[in-house]
Formats: sequence, structure tokens, C-alpha cells
Amino acid sequence: GENVEQHPSTLSVQEGDSAVIKCTYSDSASNYFPWYKQELGKGPQLIIDIRSNVGEKKDQRIAVTLNKTAKHFSLHITETQPEDSAVYFCAASKSNTDKLIFGTGTRLQVFP
Amino acid sequence: GAGVSQSPSNKVTEKGKDVELRCDPISGHTALYWYRQSLGQGLEFLIYFQGNSAPDKSGLPSDRFSAERTGGSVSTLTIQRTQQEDSAVYLCASSAKPGKLFFGSGTQLSVL
Repeated sequence: GENVEQHPSTLSVQEGDSAVIKCTYSDSASNYFPWYKQELGKGPQLIIDIRSNVGEKKDQRIAVTLNKTAKHFSLHITETQPEDSAVYFCAASKSNTDKLIFGTGTRLQVFP
Repeated sequence: GAGVSQSPSNKVTEKGKDVELRCDPISGHTALYWYRQSLGQGLEFLIYFQGNSAPDKSGLPSDRFSAERTGGSVSTLTIQRTQQEDSAVYLCASSAKPGKLFFGSGTQLSVL
């Protein structure tokens, strides 16, 4: 089955700096790659996603890139703010199953 | 309510007791998922419902775990003869589109 690895497990940055989180997946049939943000005491919330027919997608300060050949994808957050502090999860799925397989999460801390 | 509702938010039980966790999905969402999140870990898939049927229950850890969904809406996750290793946050999510999951805030289960 699919296996998703995520790095780093923790990331500390200064406010205004960029943050990058990387994930790799094992199943070449996976074609949908969402990113979720989980704040303390809450469930994960979808922040951005990308499908395998696209190499990059941006939404304001957040961007995701996908390299199908290497089977890895990354989340980029620019101009980080303290409210970006949370745990971020990447995930992968195949469109015919809908089941998301999640990475182990990255705890991002943005210091003012 | 507009979001996924889970109850109870916290449950403390004694080893060997049975527990039931409830999930009210977003109205109209046909897909429903249960995930488990252990302390500091990622999200572990348990079971997925499409309507009232469960095409994928591959993540249930043992036969002590079961889940049902009735009327294409509310779902109950039951853990029989709870063990200490069952302690975790149990998250429910629903979706109307493949992959775009909306999570509840979870049930924190503590088995003493």
C-alpha cells in the first residue's frame, strides 16, 4: 500500500522567513496530494491541494510543488506569520479509492 | 451545525470497558472516514464509508474495533474491551468530493 514520508518533523523559523516541508510517496498510482493544517485542539483543515496533472499551485503565501518522476511534493510558505504556527500534514490518495494516507506531520513554529 | 460534530470530546474509561464514539457528518456528505491520531503521530486510517457501506475497513487494528453508519449520516465507532494502547484522538471526517475531507475536532480517548 501507499506510504507517505514527511520531513522535517519540527521546523522553527523567524517571522517573515520562508518555510518548506517535504513529502515523498511510494505508490506511483497516487494522483491527489492535499496538505492539511492542524491547530491545537482542532481537527486538520485542508489548506491547499494539487493533482498529478499539475506541477505547481499557489494560493497567496502558500504554494505546493509536485515532482511525479521523483514521487515527492513540497509545501512552501512565504512571509511566515505567527498564526502559521501549527502542525502540517501532507497526504496522498488515488482517485478511485478516496482514502487519504497521511504523513507523520511537521510542527511549524514561527517566532515573532 | 455547519461542520463535522464528534461526541464526546473527551472520554476516560477503564481497561476492559467498551466505548462508543459518535460522528455527525456535514449534511449531504456521502463519504465518512475514521482516523486515529496517537500522541505526536500522524493520522492513521481506520475505516471509510460511502453511504452506509464500508468499502474499505482495512485500517481497523483488531476485531475489537467496529463501526457502522446508518441513514447515510451518523456513524458510531465502537471499541470493545479497551486496552491502554487504544488511547488516542479519534478523528472523523466527511467529504462530498474525493479527497477533500472536513474533519471534526476529535474524541480524546484515555484508557486507564
